Amino acid sequence: DSGVTQTPKHLITATGQRVTLRCSPRSGDLSVYWYQQSLDQGLQFLIQYYNGEERAKGNILERFSAQQFPDLHSELNLSSLELGDSALYFCASSRIPRGVGPDTQYFGPGTRLTVL
Amino acid sequence: GQQVMQIPQYQHVQEGEDFTTYCNSSTTLSNIQWYKQRPGGHPVFLIQLVKSGEVKKQKRLTFQFGEAKKNSSLHITATQTTDVGTYFCAGNAGNMLTFGGGTRLMVKP
Repeated sequence: DSGVTQTPKHLITATGQRVTLRCSPRSGDLSVYWYQQSLDQGLQFLIQYYNGEERAKGNILERFSAQQFPDLHSELNLSSLELGDSALYFCASSRIPRGVGPDTQYFGPGTRLTVL
Repeated sequence: GQQVMQIPQYQHVQEGEDFTTYCNSSTTLSNIQWYKQRPGGHPVFLIQLVKSGEVKKQKRLTFQFGEAKKNSSLHITATQTTDVGTYFCAGNAGNMLTFGGGTRLMVKP
C-alpha cells in the first residue's frame, strides 16, 4: 500500500459524458501527478500540482482539467468523453522538498475508465 | 522536449535466464529512477541513481547509470516468475520526471 488513494476504482460511462476522478496523496506529500495509461502503453504524464498550484503540464487534452484543493487532494475532470479516453488513470504523489527536483513518486491503485 | 526511450518493448525469457532493459535520454539527467508495475497493479518505485557511472544492486537486480548521465540499464540475473511485469525508467531533468515506454518482461516457467 503506497498511501495514495484513488476513487473510484472503476468507472463506466458513455461518450460525451463528464467524469471526475479523485486522488488523496500520501500524508505530507505536497505534489500530485496525474498519468494516463492506455492498454499496453506507457505512462503518459498529464499534469502536476504542487501545494495547490499547477507546476507542470504534459500531454493533457483541453477537454481535461485538474485542480488541487487546500487539503491537498486532487481531482481530474474529463469531459466530452470519447472512446479513446478509455484507460487507466494513475495519480502519484511526492514530497518535493523545496529547491530539489522531482522526488520519488508513489502511485495510487488507479481508476479504470471505460467509455462506451 | 525531453524524451526517454526504453528498449526492448517486450522480452520473453525462460525462467533462470538473464534479462536486461535499456533506457536512453535525449538530454543529460540529474538522476534516474526505476519502477516496476506488476500485471494489474500500479508502478512501484525500485531505486534512484544519481551519480555518473553509479551501480546499485538489489538482490538479483543490478542498476547502472551511464557515465554521461544519459542512459541507464536494469539487469536481472536468473529471472524468476515473480519478476514478471513492466519495468519503467524515469529520467529527471530540470523539474520534470519523464517516463520511458517501459519493457514488459514475461517469464516462462
